[in-house]
Amino acid sequence: AQSVTQLGSHVSVSEGALVLLRCNYSSSVPPYLFWYVQYPNQGLQLLLKYTTGATLVKGINGFEAEFKKSETSFHLTKPSAHMSDAAEYFCAVTNSGNTGKLIFGQGTTLQVKP
Amino acid sequence: DTGVSQNPRHKITKRGQNVTFRCDPISEHNRLYWYRQTLGQGPEFLTYFQNEAQLEKSRLLSDRFSAERPKGSFSTLEIQRTEQGDSAMYLCASSSWTGRDSPLHFGNGTRLTVT
Repeated sequence: AQSVTQLGSHVSVSEGALVLLRCNYSSSVPPYLFWYVQYPNQGLQLLLKYTTGATLVKGINGFEAEFKKSETSFHLTKPSAHMSDAAEYFCAVTNSGNTGKLIFGQGTTLQVKP
Repeated sequence: DTGVSQNPRHKITKRGQNVTFRCDPISEHNRLYWYRQTLGQGPEFLTYFQNEAQLEKSRLLSDRFSAERPKGSFSTLEIQRTEQGDSAMYLCASSSWTGRDSPLHFGNGTRLTVT
């Protein structure tokens, strides 16, 4: 069965500082991994995805994530935080069958301090 | 591409009442998903459709819940005899399924409050 664990329910950084949001996965098949962002009272917006190929994936808004099979991790980073990055971030893995459904982690709230 | 549209955005209802939510997916997306999200948690899968066929239902979807997708276009999610535990954000997503790497596109959700 597939699962995702996001380490740290809240992360606080200063504006301009490095953002690191952690995600570890468990999958019985080669994983397809996603990061989504959710702003208050809104739906989820896709930031980036990893399927196959290059393990460093670039997404929107300056975010990127690196797939590390040996560590079963898919951490999300951004070199310099902006106030507008404050939101909730979800890591997700596709389930093993052909349903296309995503299994989400519990989310990490990112706070950006001025 | 106008995005996934959900209505209403907010619904307040009294316990025991029935409610219905609507989701309009991105045009020509063949798959449609319903998720439920409670405060501080990630979305949890409820059910999904491929065209008009409902292919999977989660154990979270009790017999008070029913979903339809007539003609493979919009979908409705109905909750009968609502309970306070049904209070949550209900998210709809659609995808143009070509494989496991197909991303889901989410709507802004319907927030249900049961008093």
